[in-house]
Amino acid sequence: AQTVTQSQPEMSVQEAETVTLSCTYDTSESDYYLFWYKQPPSRQMILVIRQEAYKQQNATENRFSVNFQKAAKSFSLKISDSQLGDAAMYFCASPRRVVSNFGNEKLTFGTGTRLTIIP
Amino acid sequence: EAGVAQSPRYKIIEKRQSVAFWCNPISGHATLYWYQQILGQGPKLLIQFQNNGVVDDSQLPKDRFSAERLKGVDSTLKIQPAKLEDSAVYLCASSLGFSGRVIGNEQFFGPGTRLTVL
Repeated sequence: AQTVTQSQPEMSVQEAETVTLSCTYDTSESDYYLFWYKQPPSRQMILVIRQEAYKQQNATENRFSVNFQKAAKSFSLKISDSQLGDAAMYFCASPRRVVSNFGNEKLTFGTGTRLTIIP
Repeated sequence: EAGVAQSPRYKIIEKRQSVAFWCNPISGHATLYWYQQILGQGPKLLIQFQNNGVVDDSQLPKDRFSAERLKGVDSTLKIQPAKLEDSAVYLCASSLGFSGRVIGNEQFFGPGTRLTVL
């Protein structure tokens, strides 16, 4: 079974500092996207950033960037200049094809990292 | 563009009662997902629809859970009878459709329904 591992259940960072959340995954696909989702206390899951595995360049979205190491199957999220609104659960997710229905896919999520921002 | 809508937002029931959740995906999204998220864990896929057909329901406890997407748009998820361990947040998500050479369609999530079974 495909696995996504987030080894840090909780992290905290001072406001305005930088924090890195780690994620490793397992896949047999050659071309795929990887995702980081954020889930604030309001519960709505929103996409933070996604990375195209076949691209060498790491994705960046404003203060959020990834460090993608394809050979190591590592996909960490770096948050720069942390803000109070960044406090949330962060989930890493990896897609895989549905074996019985090849044109479809599904996401496997990690167990999440709870990020606390210290004012 | 309207997002994924879910109702109700909260539901409290006694064990052995039944409950239903409703989801309206983003217009034009062919794929709809129902997830169960137990407190402190990542979402677990219960069932996935492509239009009105079931793609994957391997994790759905079929003795008590059922879901339908009759017209390929709205979907309902039902639990009957509920157990204490069904207490969780039920998330609905949608995405555009079939995978191409590169897999990884972005999924858009609704606000979820928090179910408490007493």
